[in-house]
Amino acid sequence: DVKVTQSSRYLVKRTGEKVFLECVQDMDHENMFWYRQDPGLGLRLIYFSYDVKMKEKGDIPEGYSVSREKKERFSLILESASTNQTSMYLCASSLWVAGRDTQYFGPGTRLTVL
Amino acid sequence: DQQVKQNSPSLSVQEGRISILNCDYTNSMFDYFLWYKKYPAEGPTFLISISSIKDKNEDGRFTVFLNKSAKHLSLHIVPSQPGDSAVYFCAASASGGKVIFGPGTSLSVIP
Repeated sequence: DVKVTQSSRYLVKRTGEKVFLECVQDMDHENMFWYRQDPGLGLRLIYFSYDVKMKEKGDIPEGYSVSREKKERFSLILESASTNQTSMYLCASSLWVAGRDTQYFGPGTRLTVL
Repeated sequence: DQQVKQNSPSLSVQEGRISILNCDYTNSMFDYFLWYKKYPAEGPTFLISISSIKDKNEDGRFTVFLNKSAKHLSLHIVPSQPGDSAVYFCAASASGGKVIFGPGTSLSVIP
């Protein structure tokens, strides 16, 4: 079974703080993703990575950065948290099979920025 | 502009009846479609997928139908059970491309 873990289930931070969200997968997947989920907007892609030290911007990268130093770990960084970054953050990993990408998600981190 | 649309934010169904969740897409390059199920406070889990070379894929109580000409797919759950109450996300991708998720439909199955 694929296992994707996220460092925190719930997090409360203050405006302006630097926030680190960690994600680890144990299936040797090449691809890793960070999404945020907001009501009525579904899952929006923030950043993704197809390999170690590689990163690509998703649809809403502003205010975020990422780090992938090891294949199994993908970190999302909020350099200076703002209240509009209050959201559910979901990490996923996947493996390309015949050009198809089925993603496996972690449990999510509910981040509140006060 | 949303490329994957789920126009019903919520749906209520009696236990034992059929649940039909709908999804429309705009990008004709999409050729792979997936449904994910999400319980509160958990990450989405993969449910079922379909390739554009098929028009139907079945897995137990779950069947996905694809109508390429209408750019429409639907997920049928028969019979619906209370444990099926969750948010269902439709997703689509073009070969080698990113997966695009819809906004989700919240299904409530009433005992």
